[in-house]
Formats: sequence, C-alpha cells, structure tokens
Amino acid sequence: EPEVTQTPSHQVTQMGQEVILRCVPISNHLYFYWYRQILGQKVEFLVSFYNNEISEKSEIFDDQFSVERPDGSNFTLKIRSTKLEDSAMYFCASKVRRSYEQYFGPGTRLTVT
Amino acid sequence: KNEVEQSPQNLTAQEGEFITINCSYSVGISALHWLQQHPGGGIVSLFMLSSGKKKHGRLIATINIQEKHSSLHITASHPRDSAVYICAFNFGNEKLTFGTGTRLTIIP
Repeated sequence: EPEVTQTPSHQVTQMGQEVILRCVPISNHLYFYWYRQILGQKVEFLVSFYNNEISEKSEIFDDQFSVERPDGSNFTLKIRSTKLEDSAMYFCASKVRRSYEQYFGPGTRLTVT
Repeated sequence: KNEVEQSPQNLTAQEGEFITINCSYSVGISALHWLQQHPGGGIVSLFMLSSGKKKHGRLIATINIQEKHSSLHITASHPRDSAVYICAFNFGNEKLTFGTGTRLTIIP
C-alpha cells in the first residue's frame, strides 16, 4: 500500500542552523501539508500546498519557514535559522483532490540544541 | 478559542472494558477524523466521518452533525489499544484542526 515517507526520522541541530525536512507524498496526491507537534501539545497546522504554491499558512509559518516541491516527488520544509522552540515532531501529509482524508508520514523529530 | 474539545483527557480502564471518547466541535465541517498516535509518535487515521456511523473491527465511530458531536468507542478493550486518540476536522481541502487528544491506558 502506498505511504507517505519522511526523512530523516530524527534530526539534531544547533540553534541558528538551517534544516531541511523531506517528505515524499503518495504519488497521485495533489494536496500537501506540514504539521508540527511540540512535545506534550496538540498537533498544529503549519502550511498547505497545492498547484505549486502555498494555499494557506498559519501564524507559526513565519519568514523563517519555507516549503518547496523541487522535483515533482519530494515536498520539503526548510527552517532557515532554527530556534530552541522549533524542537518538535514535524508531520507531512498528503491527499487526493476528491477526498477529505489526509495520509500522514511517520514524522521527523527535530531537536534544536 | 478551542474549536475541538475532547473528553476525557486521560482514561485508564481494565482490559475488556467498553471505552468511549467524546469530541465536540464548534464550526461547520466537511469531515471529522479520528486518529491514533502511539508512543513512537506516528499518526494513523482510524476513521473519517461526514455522517452516521462507521465500524472497523472493535472500533466504532459515530457523529451527530446537528449536535456537532462525535464519539469513538472501543469494545473489548485490550492493552494494545493504549495510545493517544485524537479528534480532528477539516473543511473542504483545508487543513486539519486537531483536538488535544485522549490518552488511553488499558491495564491487563
């Protein structure tokens, strides 16, 4: 069964460094999402992406964040200058046009030290 | 403002008990989702509901659109059901909005 994959599973970085989190959505999916979950808190929406552009972003998704679909298969989330408070689990999700159901990747745990 | 309220926040039960987790939401939705999150962190979709009731194995999900309320039931609970159960909704192709989750612990 097709699934969303994410790499790496765990990333440790120093404050101020740039990180890129990678996702490979299911191949025929058209809508892509990033969510994050700070330890002990609920899952929060970051950004949605459709037709090669951002369709919605949250207040969390400031100028330090960017998303890209560089090659038609990968969907990346870049954090330009990481802060301690960026430490969280980051989930990618994707879906087809005709369904409300989103399929989640296993997540990348980002630790900023 | 919490658009999704779940109860209880924590639930501990003995193996075999019937479990109910509740979810209330405050806005019009396209679909209500029940998700499961295990200690490793991964999120698994259990149900997506727009109306009525769905059943999968020992799990049953119901939704009352007029009352803006959904329930997740687990029959004959088992220790492997121990996880965090999350209610979420979306409207159209928009983002999912998540509840805070219910941590379920089933004791053998």
